[in-house]
Amino acid sequence: DSGVTQTPKHLITATGQRVTLRCSPRSGDLSVYWYQQSLDQGLQFLIQYYNGEERAKGNILERFSAQQFPDLHSELNLSSLELGDSALYFCASSATGGNTYNEQFFGPGTRLTVL
Amino acid sequence: GNSVTQMEGPVTLSEEAFLTINCTYTATGYPSLFWYVQYPGEGLQLLLKATKADDKGSNKGFEATYRKETTSFHLEKGSVQVSDSAVYFCALNSQGAQKLVFGQGTRLTINP
Repeated sequence: DSGVTQTPKHLITATGQRVTLRCSPRSGDLSVYWYQQSLDQGLQFLIQYYNGEERAKGNILERFSAQQFPDLHSELNLSSLELGDSALYFCASSATGGNTYNEQFFGPGTRLTVL
Repeated sequence: GNSVTQMEGPVTLSEEAFLTINCTYTATGYPSLFWYVQYPGEGLQLLLKATKADDKGSNKGFEATYRKETTSFHLEKGSVQVSDSAVYFCALNSQGAQKLVFGQGTRLTINP
């Protein structure tokens, strides 16, 4: 158990809908990262938050947004869903978000299926 | 940009066989290199890491050496077990960046 929790575990929805994925980092970790794992794109970094502020952005679509709340949990919002958004979405956390690498601890993921 | 290339899978071996999973990278500067493992139905776990050239990371019998001259970080284990069956990801993070860049993953199956 990494200490990172993600809810829900599975999500099935229809095209055009909007969903919210939730992540609680390990106790004391300030950084949260979101990754998408799909069959065709592999594991891709989406976005990082550090202590409530956006720190880095990757291949995140404009239909997707995220935020980190004062209690440090994070939510990833996916809207106008398309079939191609079906994937496993991982959250990871680390102690800091600075230039020195800190190990990222991954949650179990949320499997999103868009029908 | 930064990228990681892993050997194509899947890889199937018998118990106690020698394992090598190749990984090469392209990056500016001096990245840190990692191997992550994903067991069925679980998230990724850090297996080992190396932060500078010639460093050797090791854990649970697995080893990988950071080779800057060949831009490689091949994963090896002398004698695999059925419990090693999983998907293995090679990854890097470049200087000053926290995000991880992953290879495509290699599915390993060990038969008894």
